[in-house]
Amino acid sequence: DQQVKQNSPSLSVQEGRISILNCDYTNSMFDYFLWYKKYPAEGPTFLISISSIKDKNEDGRFTVFLNKSAKHLSLHIVPSQPGDSAVYFCAASAHAGNMLTFGGGTRLMVKP
Amino acid sequence: GAGVSQSPSNKVTEKGKDVELRCDPISGHTALYWYRQSLGQGLEFLIYFQGNSAPDKSGLPSDRFSAERTGGSVSTLTIQRTQQEDSAVYLCASSLAGLEAFFGQGTRLTVV
Repeated sequence: DQQVKQNSPSLSVQEGRISILNCDYTNSMFDYFLWYKKYPAEGPTFLISISSIKDKNEDGRFTVFLNKSAKHLSLHIVPSQPGDSAVYFCAASAHAGNMLTFGGGTRLMVKP
Repeated sequence: GAGVSQSPSNKVTEKGKDVELRCDPISGHTALYWYRQSLGQGLEFLIYFQGNSAPDKSGLPSDRFSAERTGGSVSTLTIQRTQQEDSAVYLCASSLAGLEAFFGQGTRLTVV
């Protein structure tokens, strides 16, 4: 039973345009959400997070949106750059002290 | 060191042999995770340690897999009687409870 799902295994975007990566979850107890980025042959690196008390968090070109009623979050990257090409994982946890559950990842390809 | 350290970075082993993978988490981090990523797949949860609590072993794929965390710090993942389907990148991460996890570079295991 996948509690965190990323239904798009891959996404291709033109440089300069917006990339939108989506993530759905089923566990209503999740209250903290994160996005990670992974390059080949490297471990995932933390990108941005959002608490359930917010519906938006922005950091430079990266914005995460949370829709609690739909149990959906998304990561927007604008403008997209070729260096953003990587696999993006969303993750969620229920209350501080609980483990992180990851989605299956979405491979983003930004074309020059 | 400042980050999560995993050793070895690469391991080639013969089918049927036992292997041990090591993870040195960030000092002071109470939570430690093991994940693996098979070729073309997402992050597969294996085991989670949080403080002195009993570990969550629900992700271990078979009884050939075990892990321990000594003194609340270093962790060892042991795979007995390795099989070819065990070939994957094994990733360790640590965090302060429930917050963003920091990943190591991973151990690439190849079973021949």
